[in-house]
Amino acid sequence: DIVVTQSPDSLAVSLGARATITCKSSQSLLYSSNLKSYLAWYQQKPGQPPKLLISWASIRESGVPDRFSGSGSGTEYTLTISGLQAEDVAEYYCQQYYSTPYTFGQGTKLEIQ
Amino acid sequence: EVQVVESGGGLVQRGGSLRLSCSVSGFTFSDYAMFWVRQAPGKGLEYVSAINSDGGSTNYADSVQGRFSISRDNSKNTLYLQMSSLRPEDTAVYYCVRAGHSSDWYSWFDPWGQGTLVTVSS
Repeated sequence: DIVVTQSPDSLAVSLGARATITCKSSQSLLYSSNLKSYLAWYQQKPGQPPKLLISWASIRESGVPDRFSGSGSGTEYTLTISGLQAEDVAEYYCQQYYSTPYTFGQGTKLEIQ
Repeated sequence: EVQVVESGGGLVQRGGSLRLSCSVSGFTFSDYAMFWVRQAPGKGLEYVSAINSDGGSTNYADSVQGRFSISRDNSKNTLYLQMSSLRPEDTAVYYCVRAGHSSDWYSWFDPWGQGTLVTVSS
């Protein structure tokens, strides 16, 4: 199974500042035939289901604010929130869909400092 | 509007069985792979099972292999998860999720239902 490890487990950032969450996988998520990285990012607020933010490591879902961006390739990926807003307080998860069983990172709790 | 609605959760004793259902609307159900993902109270997300668009292929997490069975009825736009030999560690909110794109099940998960809570007592 592919192990996906997020860091940090929790993060406190000032309003308007940048938040960066890292996701590392135990094997490459880059598929050589299409050069796509099979990595997604989700946001989950308390009492709600997860919401897709980014697919293919860097493609922002329609309606997601452009302060959210994803990058990376191979085994290392990053979710960046530029200009943190109060509504961004949530748990964030990365997920690999390169191979079954699909696996999630353990989550990063983002708070306002 | 795409909608995914789970039902069937509840309280069950260790060793018991339960069947979850997921009713969908707003898209052509038979075009998409579907998944079950669970989240234990206060914990992270855990993939449970997948089924391809025609129901011919399935996949399970090791933790539920041999105890859970995923199926679908494309004529009823409904996904199922039959759970048996339930354990206290199966206690979780179970989410029904659609594949993000229709070509195959190597896909992100979107959208997610609101979830249904399964509680297994010891």
